Amino acid sequence: DTEVTQTPKHLVMGMTNKKSLKCEQHMGHRAMYWYKQKAKKPPELMFVYSYEKLSINESVPSRFSPECPNSSLLNLHLHALQPEDSALYLCASSQVKSLRDTQYFGPGTRLTVL
Amino acid sequence: SQQGEEDPQALSIQEGENATMNCSYKTSINNLQWYRQNSGRGLVHLILIRSNEREKHSGRLRVTLDTSKKSSSLLITASRAADTASYFCASGGSNYKLTFGKGTLLTVNP
Repeated sequence: DTEVTQTPKHLVMGMTNKKSLKCEQHMGHRAMYWYKQKAKKPPELMFVYSYEKLSINESVPSRFSPECPNSSLLNLHLHALQPEDSALYLCASSQVKSLRDTQYFGPGTRLTVL
Repeated sequence: SQQGEEDPQALSIQEGENATMNCSYKTSINNLQWYRQNSGRGLVHLILIRSNEREKHSGRLRVTLDTSKKSSSLLITASRAADTASYFCASGGSNYKLTFGKGTLLTVNP
């Protein structure tokens, strides 16, 4: 199984809402990532988890809160977002032996903040 | 910061033609990867070339790497309409994360 799944596919939320994005993989990868991608731009790294521990936080605002409850799951909790946070949120996973090697991406969650 | 720069930003060709995309990077790398992204979807890994390799093939894809010029190229031969997508290079460097370039939007017309 070389698939990374993400739910939901689309999410519309108000600035006062709390929501969560979910990501799951069953490839045995112990590194998982969250990226944010704006239209016509490359993905921007947000967080990296290695062995279920947060290893990289790219100075992401605290209104984004990641969580890795086990080796297969990665969540991104959203609270008090701004309209400029509207984007495609991508989850990825990889072998942990080198975080810079091949990453496997999910299809993304298209987030709209009203 | 994004260190990779793809060239061209957009490319439109006819089916059956070859497509060449270039990527430049700024710092030393461990590897250079190419990913494809269909509109609004996730990225798909295409090929990885390590810093000690100069050329690599995978099906209709050919990647070259010139570390002296800090550049790479991706050639897609005999293109198909299904190859229409955005293509990103990504460099794996000493900071143990991938840095993506700005991407090339390839349109293959039937």
